Amino acid sequence: KAGVTQTPRYLIKTRGQQVTLSCSPISGHRSVSWYQQTPGQGLQFLFEYFSETQRNKGNFPGRFSGRQFSNSRSEMNVSTLELGDSALYLCASSLGGASYQPQHFGDGTRLSIL
Amino acid sequence: GENVEQHPSTLSVQEGDSAVIKCTYSDSASNYFPWYKQELGKGPQLIIDIRSNVGEKKDQRIAVTLNKTAKHFSLHITETQPEDSAVYFCAAQGSNYQLIWGAGTKLIIKP
Repeated sequence: KAGVTQTPRYLIKTRGQQVTLSCSPISGHRSVSWYQQTPGQGLQFLFEYFSETQRNKGNFPGRFSGRQFSNSRSEMNVSTLELGDSALYLCASSLGGASYQPQHFGDGTRLSIL
Repeated sequence: GENVEQHPSTLSVQEGDSAVIKCTYSDSASNYFPWYKQELGKGPQLIIDIRSNVGEKKDQRIAVTLNKTAKHFSLHITETQPEDSAVYFCAAQGSNYQLIWGAGTKLIIKP
């Protein structure tokens, strides 16, 4: 069974630009969560999508947005990039549903802002 | 608010010795506690998890214990090997099935 796939693996942007990151979950998984990871900050939760609806949201500004398609693939968009947005962005998928299911992570997209 | 405290932030042990990482959670309603291992350049990988109806769970050299009364759970790694070197994260299920994460422990195995 293929794991969680994130593309691209690396991205370099400049301040003010926007970026779109993509996540393909494990087949059959309906929940996709996004996290930002910076050195010393651990995993900061951005949002979770389940069946094309945002089910949970973390404490990030509105510049961070996402969506989920009918095939459960998800995209995350960051507009008006700032230097502080440089980070590893991780996507995790799970079966979702009414009870808690383990999350499985991709290897992330490393975003660097110049 | 909901939070998970993880200690220590760095742990250095001799190869072959045991390593213990501890976490404390705040939400008494939490009933699912996973542990993840993150190697350099990779995403976190689930290594073991425990639900609140179980006090201990083992998988070869790895074990997790849970004390719901004290709201503590711990990861135990025995007979440590060089490949155990990584960053380990604990988490607890919060409201709306969202995971609340610890800050991570960097485990260093000395040869």
